[in-house]
Amino acid sequence: EDQVTQSPEALRLQEGESSSLNCSYTVSGLRGLFWYRQDPGKGPEFLFTLYSAGEEKEKERLKATLTKKESFLHITAPKPEDSATYLCAVQSYNNNDMRFGAGTRLTVKP
Amino acid sequence: DAGITQSPRHKVTETGTPVTLRCHQTENHRYMYWYRQDPGHGLRLIHYSYGVKDTDKGEVSDGYSVSRSKTEDFLLTLESATSSQTSVYFCAIKGDNFPYLFFGPGTRLTVL
Repeated sequence: EDQVTQSPEALRLQEGESSSLNCSYTVSGLRGLFWYRQDPGKGPEFLFTLYSAGEEKEKERLKATLTKKESFLHITAPKPEDSATYLCAVQSYNNNDMRFGAGTRLTVKP
Repeated sequence: DAGITQSPRHKVTETGTPVTLRCHQTENHRYMYWYRQDPGHGLRLIHYSYGVKDTDKGEVSDGYSVSRSKTEDFLLTLESATSSQTSVYFCAIKGDNFPYLFFGPGTRLTVL
């Protein structure tokens, strides 16, 4: 069964303090790993898709990386507007489902 | 851009009553999904559809049914609501030109 574990559950940073969020996964044949951002009271918003180990994607202060067992979301010099819950999900070749982790709640203090 | 609306956005109901949530998309994307989101569990798939009248069960389908009679609408029904079905429900779509899920704004359901 596909599984996704995210750590830490919550992370508090000062503005400008870089850090990383972790997503560990087990999946039978990875079709894709996805990162989403979710603001309170809203639906998740797509950030990145990664397909193979070694792949990296960047968007503003965010960079996502992928290995065969985990993915990292690196946040460089975060700003308060980066505060949100970040969700990781995997999709296997066996089904049309995406299996989500429980998320990391990020708070960036000014 | 794909557009999704969910209705109602908030609902409070009593145990044992039937409830139907509606998801409407403005495009003609093939795949539509219903997820529930609960603290500590993340998003879990209830049912999904890969075409009109084509649906399949997800991880937490017990107590839920779905119908898709038109491409743009995907209905989620709780035949007899229970307190364990108190949750936030999200509809999502996936298109041929984008491999990720595009989510609606969610419906907050409280079953008393």
